[in-house]
Amino acid sequence: SYELTQPPSVSVSPGQTARITCSGDALPKKYAYWYHQKSGQAPVLVIYEDSKRPSGIPERFSGSSSGTMATLSISGAQVEDEADYYCYSTDSSGNHLFGGGTKLTVL
Amino acid sequence: QVQLVQSGAEVKKPGASVKVSCKASGYTFTSYGIDWVRQAPGHRLEWMGWINTGKGNTKYSQKFQGRVTITRDTSASTAYMELSSLRYEDTAVYYCAKSEASLPFDYWGQGTLVTVSS
Repeated sequence: SYELTQPPSVSVSPGQTARITCSGDALPKKYAYWYHQKSGQAPVLVIYEDSKRPSGIPERFSGSSSGTMATLSISGAQVEDEADYYCYSTDSSGNHLFGGGTKLTVL
Repeated sequence: QVQLVQSGAEVKKPGASVKVSCKASGYTFTSYGIDWVRQAPGHRLEWMGWINTGKGNTKYSQKFQGRVTITRDTSASTAYMELSSLRYEDTAVYYCAKSEASLPFDYWGQGTLVTVSS
């Protein structure tokens, strides 16, 4: 079955660029979306349609997609960016899928 | 401002049903869909289904087909998710989320913990 694959964890120092990847066979034809989820809270949309940023999301968050891989980048990562990050997309059959999540540590 | 407020935590026995509500405010309820997503402890987010709040038509994940029913009451700007034949592995936080085609899950409810325990 179709899956979206993310690394379990990414760690960076404050001020560095964090990059979180999401791979999936349908990504060349389907948009990727990114959400962050802080402990005990609901997810928050940070990137939609591969690279667009919703209002209110800091400019340090950006997204890109090439081939079967989508990437979320956080330039100048801050301690407050520590969270679980999930990618989301659909497949050609209309299934809705989330990646396994990536725990971002900034320290 | 957009708000989705869900009903409170539930404890259910195996085999029972649970119905979670999601009251929307701050936007025109019937102009956007509502999705339901759950998160079991230590597991990834899992899409369950969606309702077109204007027309009332629904789409469900194959995994939950036959066990989940999503409805809405437009007069109350409220969507509902009912899950039947509960199993221990249905213990999870259930979220509702506002959606449109280009902006899936752009606003989320606070989540409702459903615990299945004998």
